[in-house]
Amino acid sequence: GAGVSQSPSNKVTEKGKDVELRCDPISGHTALYWYRQSLGQGLEFLIYFQGNSAPDKSGLPSDRFSAERTGGSVSTLTIQRTQQEDSAVYLCASSDRTRVTGELFFGEGSRLTVL
Amino acid sequence: KQEVTQIPAALSVPEGENLVLNCSFTDSAIYNLQWFRQDPGKGLTSLLLIQSSQREQTSGRLNASLDKSSGRSTLYIAASQPGDSATYLCAVGSKGGNQFYFGTGTSLTVIP
Repeated sequence: GAGVSQSPSNKVTEKGKDVELRCDPISGHTALYWYRQSLGQGLEFLIYFQGNSAPDKSGLPSDRFSAERTGGSVSTLTIQRTQQEDSAVYLCASSDRTRVTGELFFGEGSRLTVL
Repeated sequence: KQEVTQIPAALSVPEGENLVLNCSFTDSAIYNLQWFRQDPGKGLTSLLLIQSSQREQTSGRLNASLDKSSGRSTLYIAASQPGDSATYLCAVGSKGGNQFYFGTGTSLTVIP
């Protein structure tokens, strides 16, 4: 696609429910990143996928968080048993490090509100 | 681990002024450095990308410089406009891996 696409743009859920957030990166981009941005805070790295390599999960805050990337393209971030502190904007970005620039492109984000 | 700092955290200027935003980083072994702007409730929009071998990049009224030896980058905005009001973030791409390290941003308000 022309840009990084994320869905849903907004999600309101009840505490304890599971949620799935989707990211469709720019076509051909081998690297995909998930970040979390809480209100008034900076970006918190969650997870990184590069091609067929094992993902870097070092930023996932707990075992309730998981992500997968199917076919080297679309990625899904899953949060199980959501808590109120999970409320944040979840941003996805993609990059093609095989090119010279490695420029990072972001989607518009998925705003998650846990009641 | 790379640490990225942006000063000031907030800046307010009258329309028409030229201004400089600062970004500093602790590890000079970088792959690239990228400046973004973020409008409220939106994602990050890429403004300028500087490769580690470059010293500066320009786009319209924006000019970004990079000094790896001192661990600094500046974003210069000429003739500021109210539409420039946003949060500006810098991100440093690591050389050894594929990680990006973000500053906490500078919130810019341009007063008409």
